[in-house]
Amino acid sequence: NAGVTQTPKFRVLKTGQSMTLLCAQDMNHEYMYWYRQDPGMGLRLIHYSVGEGTTAKGEVPDGYNVSRLKKQNFLLGLESAAPSQTSVYFCASASSSYNEQFFGPGTRLTVL
Amino acid sequence: RKEVEQDPGPFNVPEGATVAFNCTYSNSASQSFFWYRQDCRKEPKLLMSVYSSGNEDGRFTAQLNRASQYISLLIRDSKLSDSATYLCVVNRRTGGGNKLTFGTGTQLKVEL
Repeated sequence: NAGVTQTPKFRVLKTGQSMTLLCAQDMNHEYMYWYRQDPGMGLRLIHYSVGEGTTAKGEVPDGYNVSRLKKQNFLLGLESAAPSQTSVYFCASASSSYNEQFFGPGTRLTVL
Repeated sequence: RKEVEQDPGPFNVPEGATVAFNCTYSNSASQSFFWYRQDCRKEPKLLMSVYSSGNEDGRFTAQLNRASQYISLLIRDSKLSDSATYLCVVNRRTGGGNKLTFGTGTQLKVEL
């Protein structure tokens, strides 16, 4: 099993460009999450999903959109990238909200 | 006040030493607790859950003090491979489901 995978691993964008980050999991987990990690801030929840076709806002949702059209995939979109969105983005999945979250390897995004 | 607070460190200890980290949480409704480990430029991985009665996994011991709202992690006989950042994670029920809050992490460096 690959676990949780993320693509791309690295990306550099110019301000105003758009992009989509893809997260895929092969563990049949219902719950999926997108976090960003910044120095001194810890992991902060952007959006999450409790099942296929559902999404909800987390702590820092502004400037991001998500979709969960298939159970195994959770997409994070940036419609108009800003330098403040420079960060490391982690996707995670879990079988329930009480259980361990399994993280992907992360995407390092730089917005110039 | 942050919901989860940790001393960022770094804790520099010699190989074989015993080291302890504390983490405090502000919300008394918090229900479950975890320690995650994050290696440099890698994703977080679950180290251990923290149970009310305390629990041990090899050289690692976790304790929970609900009255004082803190959890601790004790590492005995430190190894070079224990060098990492240790994230304190707190789970509590909210109107929208369960919410995991991550601390910013405590950095451990084990030296020869």
